[in-house]
Amino acid sequence: DVQLLESGGGLVQPGGSLRLSCAASGFTFSKYAISWVRQAPGMGLEWVSVITADGGSAYYADSVKGRFTISRDNSQNTLYLQMNSLRAEDTAVYYCAKVGRLVLTWFDPWGQGTLVTVSS
Amino acid sequence: QSALTQPASVSGSPGQSITISCTGTSSDVGGYNYVSWYQQHPGKAPKLMIYEVSNRPSGVPDRFSGSISDNTASLTISGLQPADEADYYCSSYTSRDTLLFGGGTKLTVL
Repeated sequence: DVQLLESGGGLVQPGGSLRLSCAASGFTFSKYAISWVRQAPGMGLEWVSVITADGGSAYYADSVKGRFTISRDNSQNTLYLQMNSLRAEDTAVYYCAKVGRLVLTWFDPWGQGTLVTVSS
Repeated sequence: QSALTQPASVSGSPGQSITISCTGTSSDVGGYNYVSWYQQHPGKAPKLMIYEVSNRPSGVPDRFSGSISDNTASLTISGLQPADEADYYCSSYTSRDTLLFGGGTKLTVL
């Protein structure tokens, strides 16, 4: 079974940093782009970032550009999201999701999510 | 970029059909065949229901179908079942190499 498991969420103060991880299994990790999507409490889905299969290219939503950095370690089948200069509006459940093909087409499957709370 | 436009809510009775629309622009929905639909039950992760406008992943019932006309994509669910009650989101690739989601539609099965 293809599985994605996020970790690293928690409570952080405004202006702080946090690194999320996404451990993948059940597929050839190095052959697929992987994305982060977030969902603020009671709100809809928001695409955050995607990284290509080889890690050579990354794309970001305007709302996180310059503050968040996506990366991957294909030897460890793990995706990361380094989040700096965190704001209250970054509070959300963060999901990682495997891209179906190419870079930004569809997401399947999704992990169970990890909650990030930015508050003083 | 603004989210794609979806109705906030739709409802239907068991056995009926409903359609959820997703309106964008020629720079996203109308410009590419990369519209997807996701189902999300409360407290759960989203699940892919339709990809590339009208394709169903393995395991998704054929009661779920997708289509597109100009800048508006649609998800139709026929033979509504109580288990279909959930939030539904569309998404589309955009010309800026980003991805947009719709605001989400809450489906109520009466």
